[in-house]
Amino acid sequence: SQTIHQWPATLVQPVGSPLSLECTVEGTSNPNLYWYRQAAGRGLQLLFYSVGIGQISSEVPQNLSASRPQDRQFILSSKKLLLSDSGFYLCAWSEAVNTEAFFGQGTRLTVV
Amino acid sequence: KNEVEQSPQNLTAQEGEFITINCSYSVGISALHWLQQHPGGGIVSLFMLSSGKKKHGRLIATINIQEKHSSLHITASHPRDSAVYICAVSQFYFGTGTSLTVIP
Repeated sequence: SQTIHQWPATLVQPVGSPLSLECTVEGTSNPNLYWYRQAAGRGLQLLFYSVGIGQISSEVPQNLSASRPQDRQFILSSKKLLLSDSGFYLCAWSEAVNTEAFFGQGTRLTVV
Repeated sequence: KNEVEQSPQNLTAQEGEFITINCSYSVGISALHWLQQHPGGGIVSLFMLSSGKKKHGRLIATINIQEKHSSLHITASHPRDSAVYICAVSQFYFGTGTSLTVIP
């Protein structure tokens, strides 16, 4: 069966520090991968999605970047965190754009 | 205006009540998703539908493509149904969620 792993679960980072959040999927090949952010009191916002290795689409210009070094690995990064980067980050996968999506447990990031 | 609008934002119900959450969208659609988010933040997919109606246990989801509207119904609500319910168009556009609290 397919599983998705996302870590860490919580993270407190100072302003200006780098960020790396990792997401891996098991039990499937060539999944579509997604990074979302959920700011406090707001809905989910799609940040990046990838349909294959090295293929990244950015939906919202910001202080973050994403990479897909392997088929089932999706990484969200920042060189210098801002206070406004605080939020709940979720990784998800699906077989295709309009198929069911499966979410990781999320990372709660607090930038201080 | 958001591409996906949900109502109500907050909902409190007594155990056993019939609950309806509404979702209207303005973008083109291939599939609409209903998601459930528990207090810890984890999200579970409840339904994916592109036409008609789907039922799973006490949950029913309907969609009217012409009117660009979907509803999520919960019959005989239970305190364990307390969660945030999110409507999404494909994987790209999300409503802000409906926070449901079911009181015993």
